[in-house]
Amino acid sequence: EIVLTQSPGTLSLSPGERATLSCRASQSVSYKYLAWHQQKPGQPPRLLIYGASSRVTGIPDRFSGSGSGTDFSLTINRLEPEDFAVYYCQQYDNSLGTFGQGTKVEIK
Amino acid sequence: EVQLVESGGALVQPGRSLRLSCTASGFLFGDSAMSWVRQAPGKGLEWIGFIRSTAYDGTAEYAASVKGRFIISRDDSKNIAYLQMSSLKAEDTAVYYCTRTWFDTPLVDYWGQGTLVTVSS
Repeated sequence: EIVLTQSPGTLSLSPGERATLSCRASQSVSYKYLAWHQQKPGQPPRLLIYGASSRVTGIPDRFSGSGSGTDFSLTINRLEPEDFAVYYCQQYDNSLGTFGQGTKVEIK
Repeated sequence: EVQLVESGGALVQPGRSLRLSCTASGFLFGDSAMSWVRQAPGKGLEWIGFIRSTAYDGTAEYAASVKGRFIISRDDSKNIAYLQMSSLKAEDTAVYYCTRTWFDTPLVDYWGQGTLVTVSS
């Protein structure tokens, strides 16, 4: 089973700043099968990024994903008030689609 | 528009069984894999398992934490996916999300609103 470790646990930033979230896998993720989901309080998550760097239709281009192998990141440029949420990475390389433990992006 | 509506969440005693249902609409259900993800109160997301599309082979995969206790099935004639849970434990208390997955992989691309299961005596 591939274990995903996200860091930091919490990121305290101000609107307009850049957020960089990390997701590290315990073994290499093939074909960049790594996704990012966003969850706001009281809501189900939603898919933002798949294939490590492909944005879902309708997701603003201030969200970008990168990485390969075992190291992946999500960058949010110029944080908007609606971006403060919890972000989870998910790998879907093998038959078990594990999630990271999440990074909370909070308003400083 | 993809819609996933879970039902069946309840308060249940430890050791008992419960079945959740997920009614899907807005896409070709029979061509889609479906999965279940849960979230304990105040905690992160835990992938439980998924069932491949019938067109692929209809087999299911499970996380180690639920393997042998949970079974995912589907009824393509009704556009419903099921999660049969048995030998429930307090640690199974969570919101259970029905999700659609992408091309018979475990990638979640659409989420339902979730249904709460509470395991307590």
